[in-house]
Amino acid sequence: AQKVTQAQTEISVVEKEDVTLDCVYETRDTTYYLFWYKQPPSGELVFLIRRNSFDEQNEISGRYSWNFQKSTSSFNFTITASQVVDSAVYFCALSEAGTGRRALTFGSGTRLQVQP
Amino acid sequence: GAVVSQHPSWVICKSGTSVKIECRSLDFQATTMFWYRQFPKQSLMLMATSNEGSKATYEQGVEKDKFLINHASLTLSTLTVTSAHPEDSSFYICSARDRTVYTGELFFGEGSRLTVL
Repeated sequence: AQKVTQAQTEISVVEKEDVTLDCVYETRDTTYYLFWYKQPPSGELVFLIRRNSFDEQNEISGRYSWNFQKSTSSFNFTITASQVVDSAVYFCALSEAGTGRRALTFGSGTRLQVQP
Repeated sequence: GAVVSQHPSWVICKSGTSVKIECRSLDFQATTMFWYRQFPKQSLMLMATSNEGSKATYEQGVEKDKFLINHASLTLSTLTVTSAHPEDSSFYICSARDRTVYTGELFFGEGSRLTVL
């Protein structure tokens, strides 16, 4: 069975601080995908990144960066110089790769509040 | 990019009535769609997997007679909450996988917020 753990329920930072959201996963699949989604108060899920299990290169996109470490089954997300607009709930998710029909398994989410 | 449209965005109904939520993939075909439910301040929990042309597969604890799923075409799945009660009030989100893209990614609808009075 797959499992995603986001131990941080809520994080509050002041604008311009850096913040890292942790994600630890469990799966018996040898090939899988990891995702991060942002859910603002309006509710829609905003896709941020997909990473497949064979690609352990870290990725940077503007103020966002992701650190995938297969050895520790972690896929952490860092926001640099946080802004108020970053306030949202962030979900880490896992899915098997290939043509499988399995759905995404979501973590419990981390609510990020960025104070001005 | 792939777009999934969900309708209605929000609905308020009286206890005992039925509500239908539609999920459409606008620019791709989806043999499989997924329905999630999210209670306030909680995560997204998978309710069921909707398979085009066949019966849906429900997760443990989800009543199939209460949450009727129909996936009549490659671009449309519907979720009907029958005899809704206040405890069914939740945010329902559908998602779909493009049958031609094998990257594991799901495309999500905007969600439907159901309030049962």
